Amino acid sequence: AQKVTQAQTEISVVEKEDVTLDCVYETRDTTYYLFWYKQPPSGELVFLIRRNSFDEQNEISGRYSWNFQKSTSSFNFTITASQVVDSAVYFCALSEPVTGANNLFFGTGTRLTVIP
Amino acid sequence: DGGITQSPKYLFRKEGQNVTLSCEQNLNHDAMYWYRQDPGQGLRLIYYSQIVNDFQKGDIAEGYSVSREKKESFPLTVTSAQKNPTAFYLCASTRSGLTANTGELFFGEGSRLTVL
Repeated sequence: AQKVTQAQTEISVVEKEDVTLDCVYETRDTTYYLFWYKQPPSGELVFLIRRNSFDEQNEISGRYSWNFQKSTSSFNFTITASQVVDSAVYFCALSEPVTGANNLFFGTGTRLTVIP
Repeated sequence: DGGITQSPKYLFRKEGQNVTLSCEQNLNHDAMYWYRQDPGQGLRLIYYSQIVNDFQKGDIAEGYSVSREKKESFPLTVTSAQKNPTAFYLCASTRSGLTANTGELFFGEGSRLTVL
């Protein structure tokens, strides 16, 4: 079974629209971390955020915000007033540092295209 | 500027040939990682190294080999035993004392290997 599910394969929005990227995870551990990474066309992944399982506070960073809900095992990512530079593939990832290996479980990614 | 440099960016190989992908970092990071990315899939861990002269297999190590003779360098060899080597390969590292599953990963821009 997939540990991290990103059901949206591709999303297209017009510039200045808001967009939410969904991430649903599965784990039996009580201690875990969740991550979002951005992969622009240049190829490298860029770290955006890390949350631990004990901190359900939502976070906002500029136009980016994250909604962590343990009750629904979701860690969704919203971009407000999208810009063309936001076009990229976005990956959600999960780690289980106590029971898991030294590894991240990545979702399959969501390709976001922002149309000018 | 500090960062991770991967080379070559594009590589073509004939079946049956070994090929080595280079990964160099000047971030003074102890831990380094190799991931494989296939279209429509998340990243999968091949090998990782948390200290010089030591490395561990990831989820898909078969057909690959690595070495860690220097802190800055973690080359990956794709051997002829790898049945489906065509993929995008990403090298990453984390700050000293952290591991992939708790800390922020810094990625290189990747190497795209095509087997003819």
